[in-house]
Amino acid sequence: ETGVTQSPTHLIKTRGQQVTLRCSSQSGHNTVSWYQQALGQGPQFIFQYYREEENGRGNFPPRFSGLQFPNYSSELNVNALELDDSALYLCASSSGSGGGTDTQYFGPGTRLTVL
Amino acid sequence: AQTVTQSQPEMSVQEAETVTLSCTYDTSESNYYLFWYKQPPSRQMILVIRQEAYKQQNATENRFSVNFQKAAKSFSLKISDSQLGDTAMYFCAFRPNFGNEKLTFGTGTRLTIIP
Repeated sequence: ETGVTQSPTHLIKTRGQQVTLRCSSQSGHNTVSWYQQALGQGPQFIFQYYREEENGRGNFPPRFSGLQFPNYSSELNVNALELDDSALYLCASSSGSGGGTDTQYFGPGTRLTVL
Repeated sequence: AQTVTQSQPEMSVQEAETVTLSCTYDTSESNYYLFWYKQPPSRQMILVIRQEAYKQQNATENRFSVNFQKAAKSFSLKISDSQLGDTAMYFCAFRPNFGNEKLTFGTGTRLTIIP
């Protein structure tokens, strides 16, 4: 069974640029959630995708957007990068029903640095 | 909105000793799930233990156990016979049993096991 994978591991961008982060969900999982973890903080929920549809969003501006593909992998896109976007971005997958009881399993994260 | 509070930013304990990490939460929901996740320096968030609020029995997983006090909204993690590999950030997280599977995290406790 393959776990959750994320790419790239590290990324450096400059303010104003755009970035795309990728996540492959664990085999058998149909739900992907994205979290932002600033240094020294707990993860903050960005949004969740269930069967290719957005299924909830946290308090993040519209320049944070996402996609989920038919194979349940997912992308997180951030436009017009700001210095405060520097963080660890975590992806988690689960086999819920968009409101189910399953546990989320996390990938290793992508460390984004905005200069 | 739910909140999760971890009041111990850092803790340290000698190898083989027992340590308890504290977590309190606030919610108006009656059905929910509570989790403890471990995040070692490798950054990957690893599930330690999970508790369903409707279960009175405290969850256990090998050396890890919880003390769930629903009325007090308290959810502490006890690690017995601590090992060097237990050194990590520990996050308490809450998820309601409805809607999407958004996790709300505390700010974490940095646990160091001293040889």
